[in-house]
Amino acid sequence: DAKTTQPPSMDCAEGRAANLPCNHSTISGNEYVYWYRQIHSQGPQYIIHGLKNNETNEMASLIITEDRKSSTLILPHATLRDTAVYYCIVRVAGETSGSRLTFGEGTQLTVNP
Amino acid sequence: DTGVSQDPRHKITKRGQNVTFRCDPISEHNRLYWYRQTLGQGPEFLTYFQNEAQLEKSRLLSDRFSAERPKGSFSTLEIQRTEQGDSAMYLCASSSRDTQYFGPGTRLLVL
Repeated sequence: DAKTTQPPSMDCAEGRAANLPCNHSTISGNEYVYWYRQIHSQGPQYIIHGLKNNETNEMASLIITEDRKSSTLILPHATLRDTAVYYCIVRVAGETSGSRLTFGEGTQLTVNP
Repeated sequence: DTGVSQDPRHKITKRGQNVTFRCDPISEHNRLYWYRQTLGQGPEFLTYFQNEAQLEKSRLLSDRFSAERPKGSFSTLEIQRTEQGDSAMYLCASSSRDTQYFGPGTRLLVL
């Protein structure tokens, strides 16, 4: 699976949009971008994933650049409960895909009142 | 709650003792995964089951570690002769295809 690079930490004001970047310059054509977050002392929580089109769900939006070498996770109206470590993971998907998720160190997002 | 459950949530043991953790995946998820997470690090993959077959094991899974999924439903992870370095959060995840959903984890402290 391709390697990802994320800033170690970010701050955001409550109610504002949080934009979390991720670089994955060696991504392959059959690799998806996944985002998880982990609130302190809890298990990782799935947020969203995408291949090349932008994706949106009830939690967040995922913007993938046209060359697929980077992406941005957007939390449109951050709340204090969004304070967590956010992980960007690139992996092959499908029936014959590898099994593991390879977590990096992620981005510690702190939402301030 | 129909999410992944893990038991116990916390375990304190003395060095040299054996411990066993249980994971109940989301119903009908045929894939089950174990990860380990130490303080300040992201989770690291340990092993993976598809139904009852253990298809992949990490080099992190020493011979003191054994995982089973006997009927393709719940899974157990046993650590024999625990060492202080085994202190970590042990996470279980399940999936039906690609998206893995994690349980709350079992936090192990070896004294």
